[in-house]
Amino acid sequence: ETGVTQSPTHLIKTRGQQVTLRCSSQSGHNTVSWYQQALGQGPQFIFQYYREEENGRGNFPPRFSGLQFPNYSSELNVNALELDDSALYLCASRITGEEETQYFGPGTRLLVL
Amino acid sequence: EDQVTQSPEALRLQEGESSSLNCSYTVSGLRGLFWYRQDPGKGPEFLFTLYSAGEEKEKERLKATLTKKESFLHITAPKPEDSATYLCAVGNNYGQNFVFGPGTRLSVLP
Repeated sequence: ETGVTQSPTHLIKTRGQQVTLRCSSQSGHNTVSWYQQALGQGPQFIFQYYREEENGRGNFPPRFSGLQFPNYSSELNVNALELDDSALYLCASRITGEEETQYFGPGTRLLVL
Repeated sequence: EDQVTQSPEALRLQEGESSSLNCSYTVSGLRGLFWYRQDPGKGPEFLFTLYSAGEEKEKERLKATLTKKESFLHITAPKPEDSATYLCAVGNNYGQNFVFGPGTRLSVLP
């Protein structure tokens, strides 16, 4: 167990809706990253937050947005859902400035119909 | 652009049959190379971090090695519980994220 938790575990939405996924980082970790993992593929980086500010972003459109709170919990928001957004969404946390290893949560499985 | 490839895509072994998984990478300044294990429908589980060529790390039946262009994950006398997808990722000195490979799906048959 890494100490990184995510909610909900599963979610079903319809095309065009909006969704919010939540993550609670491992205690003491100040950096959180979000990844999208399609079936049979490796995780793809969405964005990263450090000290409540986004400081890195992958090749994802602006309808993917996020927040990091002072207690290091985090949210991923996706607007105008598309069928291709169906995937496992992973949250990972680490301590910037110390070790580089990221520790992942169990993920949220999103299905868009 | 940083890239990671993994081979083979899938591997079936008999219990006790040792083998190696390959991770080839190109990166603009290696900050670290990371191995994870992922069971179906779950988040990746951390295995190893390697920082420089020549470095090796071991854990139970697994041993990871690193050169300037690739990393190997050696599995000695595997057991059925070692069946999983093994992911390799790199971090560079300029970005904040990891670039993952597609993974190797390992099946160990009893």
